Amino acid sequence: DGGITQSPKYLFRKEGQNVTLSCEQNLNHDAMYWYRQDPGQGLRLIYYSQIVNDFQKGDIAEGYSVSREKKESFPLTVTSAQKNPTAFYLCASSMKAIASTDTQYFGPGTRLTVL
Amino acid sequence: DAKTTQPTSMDCAEGRAANLPCNHSTISGNEYVYWYRQIHSQGPQYIIHGLKNNETNEMASLIITEDRKSSTLILPHATLRDTAVYYCIVRGNSGNTPLVFGKGTRLSVIA
Repeated sequence: DGGITQSPKYLFRKEGQNVTLSCEQNLNHDAMYWYRQDPGQGLRLIYYSQIVNDFQKGDIAEGYSVSREKKESFPLTVTSAQKNPTAFYLCASSMKAIASTDTQYFGPGTRLTVL
Repeated sequence: DAKTTQPTSMDCAEGRAANLPCNHSTISGNEYVYWYRQIHSQGPQYIIHGLKNNETNEMASLIITEDRKSSTLILPHATLRDTAVYYCIVRGNSGNTPLVFGKGTRLSVIA
């Protein structure tokens, strides 16, 4: 998992509630990412941030929000506007791209279940 | 959309080499081939990447064809712990470009 922590590992929420997933890295990486994975599917990009106080929408940003106030932290909020929030959420980070060393490292993931 | 095509699933006998193919016929000159794997309910793990030369590390070898339209990931002596979904990803190397994941190949190593 390379210095990326996600908490909690399992999370349960009632429908209509906002929930925030934590992602912290101690790798001094500039870039951080959030992906969503549904059963039997690949990962889909929600949001990413290349630098503090800046972030960009990925392919499926609707119903999610993020902040990047500190280099080491990139929390993801799943809002009540997200129609199907139950999924496995993965956070990743990478150094600022330098030739072939730009590799993304992933955290262990948070499995969110909305009841 | 993913720029790669991989078989849905493969089996491999324990102790034998696992050869996982990937087609990336639309790859451009500055795009790298990356391989990750994901063991059930864990985050993806980086394995190896390459541009045009064959690459080897402690985990695997990556063989890229001369025309770069396909590649093969080789696990030389597969173990039960290598059972996972393997993702082949093509990406550029400018900036922190997010990875685009397809569905990958589910490798089952059988005792």
